[in-house]
Amino acid sequence: GNSVTQMEGPVTLSEEAFLTINCTYTATGYPSLFWYVQYPGEGLQLLLKATKADDKGSNKGFEATYRKETTSFHLEKGSVQVSDSAVYFCALRTGNQFYFGTGTSLTVIP
Amino acid sequence: GAVVSQHPSWVICKSGTSVKIECRSLDFQATTMFWYRQFPKQSLMLMATSNEGSKATYEQGVEKDKFLINHASLTLSTLTVTSAHPEDSSFYICSARDSVIDTEAFFGQGTRLTVV
Repeated sequence: GNSVTQMEGPVTLSEEAFLTINCTYTATGYPSLFWYVQYPGEGLQLLLKATKADDKGSNKGFEATYRKETTSFHLEKGSVQVSDSAVYFCALRTGNQFYFGTGTSLTVIP
Repeated sequence: GAVVSQHPSWVICKSGTSVKIECRSLDFQATTMFWYRQFPKQSLMLMATSNEGSKATYEQGVEKDKFLINHASLTLSTLTVTSAHPEDSSFYICSARDSVIDTEAFFGQGTRLTVV
């Protein structure tokens, strides 16, 4: 079946620290992979995506590389800001359907 | 990017009453909309997929008579929780796919339902 396993939170970092949120997946076929971010009181927003193996998605300083050999799509950012505090969801899409991880709450303190 | 508006953002209702949640795509047409439910500290669980002008497809274990979904136009889908009970209290999120772009789904801000 299809599933996403995401690093459990919450994660608390100081400003300018390096961020990694691990995400691994199980899928039949060749899924597209996504990271969504949910700021307090708001809906999910697409952060970045990758549609095939070895693709790197990037946006707002965040990056994730689609690794087929390790079935992973880890999210990284070199220097986090207070404004990055949010919940991050890893997801995969096969056909018409999305499968989400449980979400990782990130708090960045000044 | 595309905007999906979900209303209301939160609602409190009494047991036994029904609640309607609206999901609108504001600047694009969505032939397909999805309804998810999210329990605290858990993932989003797909409840059903609705296609404009046809019956919704429900995931296994989701009661179609309890969670009524209507997708009457290309920009509006509604979820009605009928005869709500406290165990229906949850966070409900809709998403919509752009019929033209169709590479990703756009999400509403969610509705926090509390049944007392």
